[in-house]
Amino acid sequence: DAMVIQNPRYQVTQFGKPVTLSCSQTLNHNVMYWYQQKSSQAPKLLFHYYDKDFNNEADTPDNFQSRRPNTSFCFLDIRSPGLGDAAMYLCATSRENLYQETQYFGPGTRLLVL
Amino acid sequence: AQSVTQLGSHVSVSEGALVLLRCNYSSSVPPYLFWYVQYPNQGLQLLLKYTTGATLVKGINGFEAEFKKSETSFHLTKPSAHMSDAAEYFCATNFGNEKLTFGTGTRLTIIP
Repeated sequence: DAMVIQNPRYQVTQFGKPVTLSCSQTLNHNVMYWYQQKSSQAPKLLFHYYDKDFNNEADTPDNFQSRRPNTSFCFLDIRSPGLGDAAMYLCATSRENLYQETQYFGPGTRLLVL
Repeated sequence: AQSVTQLGSHVSVSEGALVLLRCNYSSSVPPYLFWYVQYPNQGLQLLLKYTTGATLVKGINGFEAEFKKSETSFHLTKPSAHMSDAAEYFCATNFGNEKLTFGTGTRLTIIP
């Protein structure tokens, strides 16, 4: 089945220690998104790629970076995680960058910062 | 600012009873509207969406929603709740751009 895969499902890191979360997709979609979701809150868009074009949200901290080496993979790098970065990180894809397109979500990676 | 509002952060219904989750939007242009469901420790899954055309939209798992322009609403319903429906439900819209704006979510609890 075509899907969005996130690894690992749970990640523990130390305060200030860089961490990378990964996302892969077999849907061959052009757009990939990263969301941050804190407990009992709605997902918050951090950035997205349309093909190789990177689009950062204005309020995304510089501490968060992303890479998309090819169509299938996208990475979220947190350079110096703080306690406030503990959250669920969701990757999503859509076929095109159009208003009515459905976004397909992965299962998420829950990040714990010690 | 354009937004979606979900009334009721927690809703409890008895198994077999009607499920009604409310979503209202504020927009000066016709929006595209979505309902997503999130099970514990999982990603979001699309239940249904309204883009154009028929205002009554049927989705997966027996859910449906009706777009009512006069009431600026897109409420989600299911005639008979099942225990497996217990989850968080998010209404979302993109108001004419590619970015989804989510409501604050409604946690649905099913009472046996």
